Amino acid sequence: DAGVIQSPRHEVTEMGQEVTLRCKPISGHNSLFWYRQTMMRGLELLIYFNNNVPIDDSGMPEDRFSAKMPNASFSTLKIQPSEPRDSAVYFCASSLERTEAFFGQGTRLTVV
Amino acid sequence: AQKVTQAQTEISVVEKEDVTLDCVYETRDTTYYLFWYKQPPSGELVFLIRRNSFDEQNEISGRYSWNFQKSTSSFNFTITASQVVDSAVYFCALSEANTGTASKLTFGTGTRLQVTL
Repeated sequence: DAGVIQSPRHEVTEMGQEVTLRCKPISGHNSLFWYRQTMMRGLELLIYFNNNVPIDDSGMPEDRFSAKMPNASFSTLKIQPSEPRDSAVYFCASSLERTEAFFGQGTRLTVV
Repeated sequence: AQKVTQAQTEISVVEKEDVTLDCVYETRDTTYYLFWYKQPPSGELVFLIRRNSFDEQNEISGRYSWNFQKSTSSFNFTITASQVVDSAVYFCALSEANTGTASKLTFGTGTRLQVTL
C-alpha cells in the first residue's frame, strides 16, 4: 500500500482565500484523523471520522474549518476564509479500530 | 483530562552513545494506549511502537527499547548505540480506550534528539 496520501504537500495562499486539503487513507482503514502541528500548540487533533462519520470535531478551532469524508477513500479539510494564524502543517492519519495510526507526509500551509 | 509530558526539550549525544527519552503521562482511564512516533527532518510522522495499559512488558526492537512502568506513569524510550540517522524529534502520545479508537492521540511536546559524529 502507498500509505496515507495527502495533497498538496505545500500550499501558499492569501488571507481570505479558501483552502482545501485532501487525504486518501490507507485502503481498509476505517478511521481517519486530521491533526495540526504548530510551534505554539504542538500536535493537536482537529477531527476524526469512523466509517466515514464524524465522531469528534471538538478540536476544530472555529467555524471557518470544516471536514468531510464522502467515502472511505477520501477526505477533505477546508478553511474558508483562511487567516495567517492558520499557517501550520496539517496531517491526515488513518487506522483500523484500536490500532495505531499511520500518518501522511503532511501539508504545509502558509497563509500570507 | 489526559496529558503527556516530555520534559526534555532537546538532547544532544555523540554517535554510539546510549540515550533515553523520558515520557510521563496522566490519565483517569484504566485502559489506554501509549505510543512513540518519530519525526525526522523530512517532516513525516513515523510510528514506532504502541503499548496497551494492561501489558507492562518491556519491548526491544533492534537498538530501540521501551520501558513501561504504570507505577510511575512513565513510558521511556532508549536508543542504544545511537546513530546520526536517529536525529529527529520524538513524540510520546496517549490515547484513552473509551474513545472507541486507539488513535485519538494526545501528544507530548516532543524531544529533539541530535546525534553528532
